[in-house]
Amino acid sequence: GAGVSQTPSNKVTEKGKYVELRCDPISGHTALYWYRQSLGQGPEFLIYFQGTGAADDSGLPNDRFFAVRPEGSVSTLKIQRTERGDSAVYLCASSSSGTPYNEQFFGPGTRLTVL
Amino acid sequence: AQTVTQSQPEMSVQEAETVTLSCTYDTSESDYYLFWYKQPPSRQMILVIRQEAYKQQNATENRFSVNFQKAAKSFSLKISDSQLGDAAMYFCAYNSYNFNKFYFGSGTKLNVKP
Repeated sequence: GAGVSQTPSNKVTEKGKYVELRCDPISGHTALYWYRQSLGQGPEFLIYFQGTGAADDSGLPNDRFFAVRPEGSVSTLKIQRTERGDSAVYLCASSSSGTPYNEQFFGPGTRLTVL
Repeated sequence: AQTVTQSQPEMSVQEAETVTLSCTYDTSESDYYLFWYKQPPSRQMILVIRQEAYKQQNATENRFSVNFQKAAKSFSLKISDSQLGDAAMYFCAYNSYNFNKFYFGSGTKLNVKP
């Protein structure tokens, strides 16, 4: 597709379960970002990939959160032992390079609800 | 850490009128980038306009322009000739020159009245 896609669009899970959220960036984009957006707030940075490696993972809140991008394109955000506080919209974005001025193209997000 | 503040949770404007959304930020850096993003109900964030801090000239994109006051650490967005399609959440964002990590404000919900 032409834009960033994220699957699933909605995910409902129970407290303590494991979830995976997927992001397909724009083809050829080397930089990929994950953000978390809680209700009524702006997006909060989680992690930034340049190619296959995590260039900055300082935003991951704790060791229950992990993200991979094994082939430098698709990325998966993994959350273990989910908690109700993890409920939020998880946004993915990509850009053509890691230059800070470059436009980040966002996906529609995955709404995660932890019951 | 950098912080971005949007003090107007919600604003309304009449169609065809002009509205200004406020944004202030806190940083110790001298070089950085500022952005305004629009988020419609579909949730997909769309870039509206961006500004490089070292440029004194205010950025403009058609009906959208900014008033960048570096000393005051202020970055407001002006929307002229407001249209119904402009109704959305607007987020101000800061990106460091050296680190690729956006800091977003809490957003301003813009309502456009016909």
